Amino acid sequence: AQKITQTQPGMFVQEKEAVTLDCTYDTSDPSYGLFWYKQPSSGEMIFLIYQGSYDQQNATEGRYSLNFQKARKSANLVISASQLGDSAMYFCAMRPYSGAGSYQLTFGKGTKLSVIP
Amino acid sequence: DTGVSQNPRHKITKRGQNVTFRCDPISEHNRLYWYRQTLGQGPEFLTYFQNEAQLEKSRLLSDRFSAERPKGSFSTLEIQRTEQGDSAMYLCASSLGLAGGKNTGELFFGEGSRLTVL
Repeated sequence: AQKITQTQPGMFVQEKEAVTLDCTYDTSDPSYGLFWYKQPSSGEMIFLIYQGSYDQQNATEGRYSLNFQKARKSANLVISASQLGDSAMYFCAMRPYSGAGSYQLTFGKGTKLSVIP
Repeated sequence: DTGVSQNPRHKITKRGQNVTFRCDPISEHNRLYWYRQTLGQGPEFLTYFQNEAQLEKSRLLSDRFSAERPKGSFSTLEIQRTEQGDSAMYLCASSLGLAGGKNTGELFFGEGSRLTVL
């Protein structure tokens, strides 16, 4: 079974500053994917960034980067130059690429990010 | 709009009534998922379809819940004899199957259907 832990229920960041959202995971599967989603108050889950377990480099997508430390089983999301529109819930998720559950994402409880003007 | 579409967006019902939610996935996606999200929690997996076949159901999906995807396109999630504990956001997502290459199996979500049971 997979487990995602997000230890920060809420975070505040000043506009234009960088912020790191923590995520640790637990899995016995050798091959897996890690995902971050943003959920604004409207409710839709918006995909942000992906990291494969065998990827050698940390993923980046615009202002988002993923600090992947495989040995520590952590996949922290870094948002640079925060904007007011970044205020939302952020969820870390993973899916194994083999065995039972390879069709579904397992999510953490999320971190609520508030960007202060 | 070619994204995942869900309706109704909001449903308020009295305990004991039946409700049905509909999901229209992205047209070329053969996989469809239902998740449930309660306040302060991440989405929890309910069930999964590959084409019209329902391949997995979570133990969260009691016998009052039934999901269908009759022609491998849209899907419905019905809750019979609703209870107050069923109040939640019901999220639908779709994806391509994992076929190597750059396909990561990313799920594309709809905006959800929020159920309130009084």
